[in-house]
Amino acid sequence: QQPVQSPQAVILREGEDAVINCSSSKALYSVHWYRQKHGEAPVFLMILLKGGEQKGHDKISASFNEKKQQSSLYLTASQLSYSGTYFCGTEGGRTTTSGTYKYIFGTGTRLKVLA
Amino acid sequence: DTEVTQTPKHLVMGMTNKKSLKCEQHMGHRAMYWYKQKAKKPPELMFVYSYEKLSINESVPSRFSPECPNSSLLNLHLHALQPEDSALYLCASSQEFHELAGGYNEQFFGPGTRLTVL
Repeated sequence: QQPVQSPQAVILREGEDAVINCSSSKALYSVHWYRQKHGEAPVFLMILLKGGEQKGHDKISASFNEKKQQSSLYLTASQLSYSGTYFCGTEGGRTTTSGTYKYIFGTGTRLKVLA
Repeated sequence: DTEVTQTPKHLVMGMTNKKSLKCEQHMGHRAMYWYKQKAKKPPELMFVYSYEKLSINESVPSRFSPECPNSSLLNLHLHALQPEDSALYLCASSQEFHELAGGYNEQFFGPGTRLTVL
């Protein structure tokens, strides 16, 4: 049930663009995107709440295709500060104990931006 | 104050020790979380507290015991851990948590406690 991200890893030069995909085998109600730099805590980037929604912040944007059960993160004109591991996050189904929806991160995409 | 703090930063303990991890936030958030993260893996949800009540216990072994004394504090009590429990333990908080689909808000993470079990 863990969302699968692609690519697993990508290396860019400063100024290049990248797309990170997050695909789920089950329905997605919402998708969150986080970035985690090495040795640091994950930092929230954005949340997409419904199909067709697109959001952007600075040169980072995302889209959510509810029908295809996937989301994509777009990094435009990448900067050195974009380096890190990107995770999508969503509900991963109901827990076995309480029946509430548990939160699950995707497999992760390691992104490195070179000068 | 938009910070989640965790103490200690590093912890080394033997398999017979009892120790506790502490997490604190002063953002007025009513939901708090514990995650476990192994190297080069995504964080895995362990526990969710909503309004100081345990909402999710994701089949975590009883050697991990969470506690939420008030809305700002979250503890994780450790006892009789195994070497495979060595990991980064992350605490997070969010404004609220709802048990329905789409109920997760933006989570603010602390820097984590790096735990080593010998």
